[in-house]
Amino acid sequence: DTGVSQDPRHKITKRGQNVTFRCDPISEHNRLYWYRQTLGQGPEFLTYFQNEAQLEKSRLLSDRFSAERPKGSFSTLEIQRTEQGDSAMYLCASSWKDRAVGSSGNTIYFGEGSWLTVV
Amino acid sequence: AQKITQTQPGMFVQEKEAVTLDCTYDTSDQSYGLFWYKQPSSGEMIFLIYQGSYDEQNATEGRYSLNFQKARKSANLVISASQLGDSAMYFCAMREGLGQAGTALIFGKGTTLSVSS
Repeated sequence: DTGVSQDPRHKITKRGQNVTFRCDPISEHNRLYWYRQTLGQGPEFLTYFQNEAQLEKSRLLSDRFSAERPKGSFSTLEIQRTEQGDSAMYLCASSWKDRAVGSSGNTIYFGEGSWLTVV
Repeated sequence: AQKITQTQPGMFVQEKEAVTLDCTYDTSDQSYGLFWYKQPSSGEMIFLIYQGSYDEQNATEGRYSLNFQKARKSANLVISASQLGDSAMYFCAMREGLGQAGTALIFGKGTTLSVSS
């Protein structure tokens, strides 16, 4: 079990450029989540997948944000035409499918995050 | 809608002392789960402890314990015998139902804990 890994860890880009982040979840986990965290705030949920199906994407911040998980394993988060307000840390997390909301068997595990700076 | 409130922006404690980090939540669900995560300056969110709404005992994990008071809707984290390595940001979180789509975590704004020698 190598944990959730994210790449790149840091990205500096010019305004208007596109960026893509990759997430490799814990191998036996079938749910994958993307969060955004700005300075001094808690993580903010963006989207999530169960296997390859994107079950919730209404929280994506704008149509410039998109995510894929083509084979139900790794996932990518793309931000097109980046703006300075996109500067944040983008966190990926994974878990098993819920058995119940109150179940302890499906803790969500996070990666180390990808820091984005838009200049 | 569910909500998590952490009212302490920062807490200071000396090594070996115990500290309590406050968390209150708001939900109309009968079944829910509460989590605490630690985030050091490196950025990784480290899972610490979980409490289910139907769990009769307060959760404990090593030096971490969760003081769960269901009627007051509070889930405070207690760290006993603080260590310098405990200095970090601490987040309280709760599972939020997404209807048919499943669940995700919602987080409070966090509390920065500073442990001094």
